[in-house]
Amino acid sequence: SQTIHQWPATLVQPVGSPLSLECTVEGTSNPNLYWYRQAAGRGLQLLFYSVGIGQISSEVPQNLSASRPQDRQFILSSKKLLLSDSGFYLCAWSVGQYNQPQHFGDGTRLSIL
Amino acid sequence: TQLLEQSPQFLSIQEGENLTVYCNSSSVFSSLQWYRQEPGEGPVLLVTVVTGGEVKKLKRLTFQFGDARKDSSLHITAAQPGDTGLYLCPIQGGSEKLVFGKGTKLTVNP
Repeated sequence: SQTIHQWPATLVQPVGSPLSLECTVEGTSNPNLYWYRQAAGRGLQLLFYSVGIGQISSEVPQNLSASRPQDRQFILSSKKLLLSDSGFYLCAWSVGQYNQPQHFGDGTRLSIL
Repeated sequence: TQLLEQSPQFLSIQEGENLTVYCNSSSVFSSLQWYRQEPGEGPVLLVTVVTGGEVKKLKRLTFQFGDARKDSSLHITAAQPGDTGLYLCPIQGGSEKLVFGKGTKLTVNP
């Protein structure tokens, strides 16, 4: 069966520090991978998605970047965190196109001080 | 651009009550998914409705897709505290993307 692992579960970082969140998927090949952010009182905002190794689509201009160094590994990074980067970050995977369900990790709660 | 509205945005009820939440759009959807997100966790797929007029049941949850495939509803019978969560019905935002709205935040009080 397929599983998705996302870590860490919680993270407290000072403003200006770097960030690296990692997500890995097991049990499937060539998944579509996604990074979302969910701010308090707001919906899930798609940040990046990837349909293959090295292929990254950015949805919104921001202080973050994403990379996919391996088929089932998706990394969210920042060189210098801003206060506005606080939120709940979710990784997800799907397979195929059009109306395929997405399967989410347990999320990372990021607090910027 | 397809837009989808979920209502109500917030709903707080007592255990045992019935409730209905809605997803409405002016656009036609080939299918629609419903997710529930519990506090501190990622969303989990509940159901996908595909055919206009389709009704699917998941225990006390009844999902209906509108005849014209522009809207959908979720009815919960005899709500329980375990039903508490954020209910989401994203729309297709591209061949591999879903667009999530704010959803309906349901609180079931014991």
